[in-house]
Amino acid sequence: DAMVIQNPRYQVTQFGKPVTLSCSQTLNHNVMYWYQQKSSQAPKLLFHYYDKDFNNEADTPDNFQSRRPNTSFCFLDIRSPGLGDAAMYLCATSGVTRGLYYGYTFGSGTRLTVV
Amino acid sequence: ELKVEQNPLFLSMQEGKNYTIYCNYSTTSDRLYWYRQDPGKSLESLFVLLSNGAVKQEGRLMASLDTKARLSTLHITAAVHDLSATYFCAVDPGSGGSNYKLTFGKGTLLTVNP
Repeated sequence: DAMVIQNPRYQVTQFGKPVTLSCSQTLNHNVMYWYQQKSSQAPKLLFHYYDKDFNNEADTPDNFQSRRPNTSFCFLDIRSPGLGDAAMYLCATSGVTRGLYYGYTFGSGTRLTVV
Repeated sequence: ELKVEQNPLFLSMQEGKNYTIYCNYSTTSDRLYWYRQDPGKSLESLFVLLSNGAVKQEGRLMASLDTKARLSTLHITAAVHDLSATYFCAVDPGSGGSNYKLTFGKGTLLTVNP
């Protein structure tokens, strides 16, 4: 009964080869987030969607893009992965429904290796 | 810009001892979260604190929130080895719309020794 599902769990990609990570949710939450977490560091927000509105963090490199085709799915595209992009990528959701606030739900993460 | 500071960043404890992790943040907020992370794993939600004076306890862990001081604490009672992990606090400005987003502290790596 996983509620935020990330695929794949492990992804190996070649330097410079575009890669897409996916996230789906069964919670019907209106906000979806992508965080990057490098080894021994805190998660860092890359961007988030509030409904269909895309919100990019100021320091997110242009190499990172995102798509949200519908409420349930969100994708992270890395156009030209570099060695420095190797990290755990965490998808999360949150929402407010009929005045009730729901906290954050994180997926299991995708660990990206760049070779 | 919201800043979240945790201390200590590294904590080595003996089993059976008590200790407190502190989380300070720089802006008005009444939404604070504590997470646990095991190596190679995602974040596990421990506590959600949504009002001044909120106190929550689960097993050997107790979290509290003082929004006036912009301070949350995570207190560990009679530590056991299974508590070894990295603990993060995170703050959400809670001002609505696109500001619903978490900013994390750097984390506290807790090691509990026999």
